[in-house]
Amino acid sequence: EAAVTQSPRNKVAVTGGKVTLSCNQTNNHNNMYWYRQDTGHGLRLIHYSYGAGSTEKGDIPDGYKASRPSQENFSLILELATPSQTSVYFCASATNTEVFFGKGTRLTVV
Amino acid sequence: GQQVQQSPASLVLQEGENAELQCNFSSTATQLQWFYQSPGGSLVSLLSNPSGTKHTGRLTSTTVTKERRSSLHISSSQTTDSGTYLCAIDRWGSALGRLHFGAGTQLIVIP
Repeated sequence: EAAVTQSPRNKVAVTGGKVTLSCNQTNNHNNMYWYRQDTGHGLRLIHYSYGAGSTEKGDIPDGYKASRPSQENFSLILELATPSQTSVYFCASATNTEVFFGKGTRLTVV
Repeated sequence: GQQVQQSPASLVLQEGENAELQCNFSSTATQLQWFYQSPGGSLVSLLSNPSGTKHTGRLTSTTVTKERRSSLHISSSQTTDSGTYLCAIDRWGSALGRLHFGAGTQLIVIP
């Protein structure tokens, strides 16, 4: 069964600290994505990747970096976390015809 | 402006009633997907329907590409249908994941 696993599921971080959100997929999909979801905004695309070693900017990349060290793993990095980055973050993997989401990571920056 | 707009924002139904959810989008879409988000937050794909009418179980989606609108009809609603329904478009026609989402319709089905 297709699976996208995010860790941690919940995280509290301090302003100015570094945060890494991890995503692992067992679907063998080339394409992976990071979204954030805030009330009233639906999901918004932060970064995406076409395969190991590649990262691309999405619609709201400012303040975030991404890393794709392997087919299976895609990380989202907040080098200097700010309270405005408090949100729920979703990772996804996709082909041309299907997309699978992880269960989300709730990040609170205090 | 927002590329994908959904209406209504929320909907309360008695179990057994039908629901009609609307999605309007401002850009050409190569793909249109409907997702269900559970109260716990998990997202699952319901239907992919860039044009025409598609059915799966109690769900029917109709997309009129020229008019940039799609609808999701849920027949004989059940309490387990409660959650948020999200419409999303993909403008690039490559992999399905580069999506623009609407803010969703929150559906509450009461027994």
